[in-house]
Amino acid sequence: DQQVKQNSPSLSVQEGRISILNCDYTNSMFDYFLWYKKYPAEGPTFLISISSIKDKNEDGRFTVFLNKSAKHLSLHIVPSQPGDSAVYFCAASENQGGKLIFGQGTELSVKP
Amino acid sequence: SAVISQKPSRDICQRGTSLTIQCQVDSQVTMMFWYRQQPGQSLTLIATANQGSEATYESGFVIDKFPISRPNLTFSTLTVSNMSPEDSSIYLCSVGDWSYEQYFGPGTRLTVT
Repeated sequence: DQQVKQNSPSLSVQEGRISILNCDYTNSMFDYFLWYKKYPAEGPTFLISISSIKDKNEDGRFTVFLNKSAKHLSLHIVPSQPGDSAVYFCAASENQGGKLIFGQGTELSVKP
Repeated sequence: SAVISQKPSRDICQRGTSLTIQCQVDSQVTMMFWYRQQPGQSLTLIATANQGSEATYESGFVIDKFPISRPNLTFSTLTVSNMSPEDSSIYLCSVGDWSYEQYFGPGTRLTVT
């Protein structure tokens, strides 16, 4: 039972354009959502997060949008840079200090 | 955020043997977690390692197969016992406090032949 789903295994974007990564979830008990970035041979790096009481959180070039009614969140990267090329994981949690449930990941490739 | 290291970074092991993976943090942390990422799959939590008490295992993972130690607030080990090729994965430790965010080590890439 995949509670967090990233249906696009890969995404290719031109440098300078917007990258939009999508994530869907099924568990209505999730109250916090996170995005991680992972380079090969490294551990995931925390990128940005959003509480379920908000619908948007912005940090520099990265913005996360949450649509609770649709159980959908997205990560926008504007403008995209070649260094953003990595695998992006969406994760969700029901409680503080609890486990994270991860999606399958989306491999983003930003072409110069 | 804390600096997290793992040893070994990678290993190739024969089936039936065991491997102990170490996770060291440069500061005291409340929560330590062990995850597994099988090839082409997502990250799955194996267990939560609590200092001074038994680890809490997720469904599908048992202590006999994945014994965990947490002797202090900066260190934990995960042992993969009686390995089979299906145990070939990346094993990651993460740390957190009583917030939602977790911070991950670089991972240990295990191949079982």
